[in-house]
Amino acid sequence: AQSVAQPEDQVNVAEGNPLTVKCTYSVSGNPYLFWYVQYPNRGLQFLLKYITGDNLVKGSYGFEAEFNKSQTSFHLKKPSALVSDSALYFCAVRDRDAGGTSYGKLTFGQGTILTVHP
Amino acid sequence: EAQVTQNPRYLITVTGKKLTVTCSQNMNHEYMSWYRQDPGLGLRQIYYSMNVEVTDKGDVPEGYKVSRKEKRNFPLILESPSPNQTSLYFCASSLLAGGGRYEQYFGPGTRLTVT
Repeated sequence: AQSVAQPEDQVNVAEGNPLTVKCTYSVSGNPYLFWYVQYPNRGLQFLLKYITGDNLVKGSYGFEAEFNKSQTSFHLKKPSALVSDSALYFCAVRDRDAGGTSYGKLTFGQGTILTVHP
Repeated sequence: EAQVTQNPRYLITVTGKKLTVTCSQNMNHEYMSWYRQDPGLGLRQIYYSMNVEVTDKGDVPEGYKVSRKEKRNFPLILESPSPNQTSLYFCASSLLAGGGRYEQYFGPGTRLTVT
């Protein structure tokens, strides 16, 4: 069974400082990895994804994430946080090697609340 | 505008009264999925559909039904709702080519309360 862990329920950073939101995953095959953001009273919005190739992935709003296969991690990063980055962040994984229709299964982490203080 | 719509946005109902939450997308996506969001548990997949008439269970399918008769619509049916189905529900869709590499587009959510 595939799984995602976001070990921190909350992350607090000061505006202008770098931020990291952690994600580790488990799949039988090779992963497709995604980060989504949810602002209050809104649906989820896509930030970035890892498919294959370069381990450093760049996405929307200045966010990036690094895929580390040996540590089975996909941490979200931003060099300089903004107050407007405050939101709920979700990591998700899909097993691209799953057979049949099983690759349709997408597993999310429990989410990390990011708060950026002025 | 490309979007996923859900209706209703808010629903309060009583135990046992059948309900349907509709989901529609205008992007001609093959893949559609339902999730529920609960505090501390993140998003959990209920059901997904790879195309018309092709549906499969996610992680928490008990108590739910779905159907995919048309490509654009993917309704979620609760035949006999119970209080433990009180939650925030999201519908999502995406392209399916390439083994699931595409990101999903999410609807605005439906907040369901079962008393």
